[in-house]
Amino acid sequence: GIQVEQSPPDLILQEGANSTLRCNFSDSVNNLQWFHQNPWGQLINLFYIPSGTKQNGRLSATTVATERYSLLYISSSQTTDSGVYFCAFTGGGNKLTFGTGTQLKVEL
Amino acid sequence: DAGITQSPRHKVTETGTPVTLRCHQTENHRYMYWYRQDPGHGLRLIHYSYGVKDTDKGEVSDGYSVSRSKTEDFLLTLESATSSQTSVYFCAISGGDYITDTQYFGPGTRLTVL
Repeated sequence: GIQVEQSPPDLILQEGANSTLRCNFSDSVNNLQWFHQNPWGQLINLFYIPSGTKQNGRLSATTVATERYSLLYISSSQTTDSGVYFCAFTGGGNKLTFGTGTQLKVEL
Repeated sequence: DAGITQSPRHKVTETGTPVTLRCHQTENHRYMYWYRQDPGHGLRLIHYSYGVKDTDKGEVSDGYSVSRSKTEDFLLTLESATSSQTSVYFCAISGGDYITDTQYFGPGTRLTVL
């Protein structure tokens, strides 16, 4: 199956800092999505972004399908951004496969 | 937020007992999914449904069955719970034309099998 690597696995930021999270894929993927799981376990869909760039407030995402990667940008981070960020995709079938996530902690 | 509820939110049971988890949606979405989340494995698809009475297996379906008799309800049953099924279970829905459209998740059910 398609291998996915999320980086970095862990990240600690000071409030107000910017960050870039990355998903690399071993092959072409479809239906790329980004999720945030907050410290209470709730999973929130951030972006459905099979290609191109989208922005939502302080968050934006870019997927370059031809180069097999997707990026999630967090600007002016806040403590409420803490949690785990997952990318997810389908690789030819209809099953959504999740990456192992990036654990983010934003400190005051 | 999508209207998805899961019940129960927490459950402790003993090995060998049957367990049913319920997912209820108020969005009239076509697709519903059950995932489990475990440390080191991330989220893995158990079963999904693409309509009333239409279901299919996911990545880790052994030991689980599902039913969907109404659009709004998707049940996950562990016929005889085992300790390896201790996990956090998430229900998700999507309402697009394709099974892989944007998914929205419920709050999760933490299941402990002793």
